[in-house]
Amino acid sequence: DGGITQSPKYLFRKEGQNVTLSCEQNLNHDAMYWYRQDPGQGLRLIYYSQIVNDFQKGDIAEGYSVSREKKESFPLTVTSAQKNPTAFYLCASSIRLGLSPYSTDTQYFGPGARLTVL
Amino acid sequence: KQEVTQIPAALSVPEGENLVLNCSFTDSAIYNLQWFRQDPGKGLTSLLLIQSSQREQTSGRLNASLDKSSGRSTLYIAASQPGDSATYLCAVEGSGGSNYKLTFGKGTLLTVNP
Repeated sequence: DGGITQSPKYLFRKEGQNVTLSCEQNLNHDAMYWYRQDPGQGLRLIYYSQIVNDFQKGDIAEGYSVSREKKESFPLTVTSAQKNPTAFYLCASSIRLGLSPYSTDTQYFGPGARLTVL
Repeated sequence: KQEVTQIPAALSVPEGENLVLNCSFTDSAIYNLQWFRQDPGKGLTSLLLIQSSQREQTSGRLNASLDKSSGRSTLYIAASQPGDSATYLCAVEGSGGSNYKLTFGKGTLLTVNP
C-alpha cells in the first residue's frame, strides 16, 4: 500500500520551542517537498529535495529547517525563529525533480499536519 | 513571478447542476496545469493534469480545459453531487525556469446542496 504518511496529524507547540513534523514515503520517489497552507491561501513551498543529502529553500524557508538522510524520509523542523508557525503543513513527493513538459508525473501529497502554537 | 487566480472563491449550487470553476495564470510558459481536490483538513488529490501541448482532459464527470496563450483553464463538473463538496485548487508547473515548482491558486470552495 504505497503512499505518503505524516505524523502526528495534530501538533501543539509552546512559544520558543522547536517542533519536528515527519514525512515518510514508500513510493520510491527521489523528490520531496514541504508546503505550508494558511486559511484561504494557496500552498506555499517551504523546502524541497531532489535527492538524498540535498535540499533547497523554497519561497518561505525562514524559520524552518529540513534534512534528507534517507530517500523515504524528509522531516521538517519548525524552529522558534518562525514567527507565525500556526498553519497546515503538507508534504509531497514526485518521481523526480524537474519534470518535462510531456510528463504526466505529478506530486503526491500526504494527509497533512496541523500545527498550533499555544 | 507566476500568479494563479481562481474565481469564484466560493460557490454553492443545488445537486444536479453543471458548474464551471475558473483559473487564470500570468506566465504562459508552463509545463502543465493541474486541478486538485482538497477535503477539509486533508491532503490534496490530483484530479486532472493537462500538459502544455494539450487542450483538455476528461475524467468521468470532470472536464478540464487549458488555453495556454490566454492563461486560462476551466474545470467543468457535470451533474454535481453532494460528494463533490470540497475545495478545488488549480496549480501550474514549470514557469520561470523552475520546472519542478507548483504555483497554486487560493482555491474555490464548492458546496453542493442536496
